[in-house]
Amino acid sequence: GESVGLHLPTLSVQEGDNSIINCAYSNSASDYFIWYKQESGKGPQFIIDIRSNMDKRQGQRVTVLLNKTVKHLSLQIAATQPGDSAVYFCADPVPNAGGTSYGKLTFGQGTILTVHP
Amino acid sequence: DAMVIQNPRYQVTQFGKPVTLSCSQTLNHNVMYWYQQKSSQAPKLLFHYYDKDFNNEADTPDNFQSRRPNTSFCFLDIRSPGLGDAAMYLCATSSLSVGYNEQFFGPGTRLTVL
Repeated sequence: GESVGLHLPTLSVQEGDNSIINCAYSNSASDYFIWYKQESGKGPQFIIDIRSNMDKRQGQRVTVLLNKTVKHLSLQIAATQPGDSAVYFCADPVPNAGGTSYGKLTFGQGTILTVHP
Repeated sequence: DAMVIQNPRYQVTQFGKPVTLSCSQTLNHNVMYWYQQKSSQAPKLLFHYYDKDFNNEADTPDNFQSRRPNTSFCFLDIRSPGLGDAAMYLCATSSLSVGYNEQFFGPGTRLTVL
């Protein structure tokens, strides 16, 4: 979905806790999703992706869950560390005209994650 | 090693004074993107180049222009900056082969308009 509003949701956790960041999307035809991490003063950085034929995908300390029924995805970060403090965006790449590749990104609203030592 | 480089990192301009932001890449990617990111908002795509083919987003104001003289460089020109154009401007690159092609973002240029 597109970004709306002026204030990002925030999530504060203690170091070592698990974090769950949520994202809703509106296009039921979307078939591919990406989570990005943006640290202060830096550009977004790819974390993990998931295709719509999957419900769950795991990476290193991160898991993405996709619920197509309610058009919702979440990013779970295990054992959150201070270095995880950042803004997290979900993104929905748009297929290119040939349908064989994905290019343009539409970012979701974003969530500010703050990890306290 | 920096792969997507943006210069300058911070740019201050006056209301109405043209400004150019620069992006260069060492990845030899054929697609380059420019995003605008305002405070506490998500990045918003302004336009992108596929090689020399320019693709403008429908809602990008005419005040924003872009040039791509070669594969490595891409410029964002703001012809008459207004106060509302103060933002972080992000450049990104990707290749374009079958499947998803990760976009690599630069660190951004923060533009202040006085």
